[in-house]
Amino acid sequence: KDQVFQPSTVASSEGAVVEIFCNHSVSNAYNFFWYLHFPGCAPRLLVKGSKPSQQGRYNMTYERFSSSLLILQVREADAAVYYCAVCRSNDYKLSFGAGTTVTVRA
Amino acid sequence: GAGVSQSPSNKVTEKGKDVELRCDPISGHTALYWYRQSLGQGLEFLIYFQGNSAPDKSGLPSDRFSAERTGGSVSTLTIQRTQQEDSAVYLCASSLPEGTGGYNEQFFGPGTRLTVL
Repeated sequence: KDQVFQPSTVASSEGAVVEIFCNHSVSNAYNFFWYLHFPGCAPRLLVKGSKPSQQGRYNMTYERFSSSLLILQVREADAAVYYCAVCRSNDYKLSFGAGTTVTVRA
Repeated sequence: GAGVSQSPSNKVTEKGKDVELRCDPISGHTALYWYRQSLGQGLEFLIYFQGNSAPDKSGLPSDRFSAERTGGSVSTLTIQRTQQEDSAVYLCASSLPEGTGGYNEQFFGPGTRLTVL
């Protein structure tokens, strides 16, 4: 069964770098996707790809079966749920992890 | 431009009633997806549409769940004889057609929170 694993919670302090690790068992995985979700709002794509990439304060590392999202200079406003998702090269479907709740102390 | 919209934003219903949830995808997005997020759980895939066809219904949890899409645009997710375990946030997403640059980037709506009493 395709599964995507990520920690349930990560705690941090303002100004630090937050790292959220994700690994999976999806065969023929092609891309990782990292989504930000504030409950009650639409999940928003932060960064995606099949290689390391950066979008603003968000860095994504890439290995065949794992990826990390790094949030640089984390702020209290970054406290939210972050989802890791994986898709296959021959498929449309995203397999999502259970989400990581990031908390940020002032 | 307009994003994916869903209605209603909240729905409270009694056990045994039927409910309909609506999704309006981004214009030009032929792919449409429904997900469910139960309390404390991740996003659970329900069904995928390409145009008006649903080639993958594998995530629908029971025959009480059905979905349709008309005109390659609006989609409706129907839950018949609702049960308390159906309580969740139902999210819809859309994406560009296969083969287009950006395919597989799914744009989400804000979701419908369903509460079954």
